Amino acid sequence: GENVEQHPSTLSVQEGDSAVIKCTYSDSASNYFPWYKQELGKRPQLIIDIRSNVGEKKDQRIAVTLNKTAKHFSLHITETQPEDSAVYFCAVDTGGFKTIFGAGTRLFVKA
Amino acid sequence: GAVVSQHPSWVICKSGTSVKIECRSLDFQATTMFWYRQFPKQSLMLMATSNEGSKATYEQGVEKDKFLINHASLTLSTLTVTSAHPEDSSFYICSARPGHRSGNTIYFGEGSWLTVV
Repeated sequence: GENVEQHPSTLSVQEGDSAVIKCTYSDSASNYFPWYKQELGKRPQLIIDIRSNVGEKKDQRIAVTLNKTAKHFSLHITETQPEDSAVYFCAVDTGGFKTIFGAGTRLFVKA
Repeated sequence: GAVVSQHPSWVICKSGTSVKIECRSLDFQATTMFWYRQFPKQSLMLMATSNEGSKATYEQGVEKDKFLINHASLTLSTLTVTSAHPEDSSFYICSARPGHRSGNTIYFGEGSWLTVV
């Protein structure tokens, strides 16, 4: 089955700096790659997603890049703010209607 | 966006009893819903895929007799934790996908904190 690896597990940045989180996957048939933000005790919220026919997508301070050949995709957050502090999960849609999540990255943005 | 509601948000039960958690899609029909379990500071682990009108598909290592899933309608799936034990204490969260196509966004319920004492 699909295997999703996410790095780093913890990331601490200064307010205003950029943060990058990377994920790799194993199933070349996977075709949809969402990113979720989860605050403590709350439901994950979709923040951005990308499909396999696109290499990059941007939404204000957030961007996602996808390299299908290498089977990895990354989340980029620019001009980080304290409210960006949360756990971020990458996910992979296997094409079999299942979504498999990475282990998560705990992001701390220091004011 | 689509709304998924989960109930209850918090539940405490005695060891050996059963507890039911409901997941509803409020403004769309969901032929498929997913149940996840999340331990503190860990990722979302898929437990099972709930299919309307048919048996759920369980992930490897998940006891189907312990975690009963019923998807009786296009807007409701339930997870029943039977004969609960303290090690079943966790955050359980459901999600639902509008439509049949792979790649559609999944929407999460609020999650349910289960504490077994």
